[in-house]
Order: sequence, then structure tokens, then C-alpha cells
Amino acid sequence: KAGVTQTPRYLIKTRGQQVTLSCSPISGHRSVSWYQQTPGQGLQFLFEYFSETQRNKGNFPGRFSGRQFSNSRSEMNVSTLELGDSALYLCASSRGTGDGTEAFFGQGTRLTVV
Amino acid sequence: SQQGEEDPQALSIQEGENATMNCSYKTSINNLQWYRQNSGRGLVHLILIRSNEREKHSGRLRVTLDTSKKSSSLLITASRAADTASYFCATGKGADKLIFGTGTRLQVFP
Repeated sequence: KAGVTQTPRYLIKTRGQQVTLSCSPISGHRSVSWYQQTPGQGLQFLFEYFSETQRNKGNFPGRFSGRQFSNSRSEMNVSTLELGDSALYLCASSRGTGDGTEAFFGQGTRLTVV
Repeated sequence: SQQGEEDPQALSIQEGENATMNCSYKTSINNLQWYRQNSGRGLVHLILIRSNEREKHSGRLRVTLDTSKKSSSLLITASRAADTASYFCATGKGADKLIFGTGTRLQVFP
């Protein structure tokens, strides 16, 4: 079956702009999580959606937001981009049924803010 | 913030040798997972070990967990050049809100 698909793979934006990233989970998976990876901070949890509801949220400013649609596809949005938002953004999907559930990651979207 | 540290930060070995990576974490856990990341790409799930397990095997991988020391280790036996990647441990409830370690960069030379 198809894996987790993230689009676009690469993106270059200018400071102050906004950006929307997309993630299509594995068919049947209802949980989608987003992570930011930077050389300085490593892999950090952004938020998690399950059945269109945000279930968990990491410690990121309100400029970072997301949503999930009825087909489990998810988008994350970053407004008023800053240079420090340059990162690899990873999406993971899982059944979301609790402990011991494996997460499957997409290839990521590499965002560069100039 | 990261849940824990991984040690060493970088490791270089020859093909055929074994590679051992260690992970320490801070809070009590339900399970611990190990992931592999090839350069700048997505994460691949390797193995999950539950808090009531002490050791788990998967192919050439062996993971141990010591909850009293809040540490885990990943052993890759008979390494191959294709094992070159970064390896991360992660804790959390299931797949939600995973907290990753700092990672170990493994280089396997042919």
C-alpha cells in the first residue's frame, strides 16, 4: 500500500510570507503528526490530529497551525515566516489507537526561508 | 525539548563490524522506539520495545532496555555500507507526540 506522501518536497519562501504543507497518510490511518527537524533543535513535535481534531500540541508559537480533513489528509500552515523556520518538516501517520502503535513517516518537506 | 541524549554522536566503522548506539531518556516510558534516517530524508521505523521488555531482536538489530537506568541500546551486527544513516531513539505514547533523542550518525565504510 502507498506510504505517507508529503508535498511539496522542497519549498523556498521569503520572510514574512506564509506556507502550507500537505500530508496524505497511509490509507486507514486516522492519526497524523507533524515534526520539525533542524540541526540545532533536532526533531521536535509540532502537533497531532486524530479524526479531524487536534489531540496534542508541541511547544511552538501560534504561527504554526494545522488541520485535518475528513479523509485524514492533513495540512500545516506557517504564517509570517522567519529565517529560523527553515527546516525539514516531517509528517507521520499511524492508526492512532494508542500505546505501541508504529508511526510511518513521509519523506518530508524541506522549507528554506530567505 | 529532547527527551534524551544519544551516545556517541557519531560512529565510524568498517563493514562487517558491529555498531552499538546508546540512548538515555528522562521520564518514565511506556515504550521506546528506534528510527533510522538516511541523509535528509524521512524516518524509518526499526523496532519498538515495551517498558516490560528487556531485549528484542529484529534481523541484525538487537535492542535492550533498562528502565532502572532509563537507557536503551541499539546493536547492529555485521554492519553494511547501506546501514550508513542517523539513528534516533524516541519515546512517547504510541506514535503520538514522539520525543526524539539527539541521534547518532553512523558511517559504515566498505
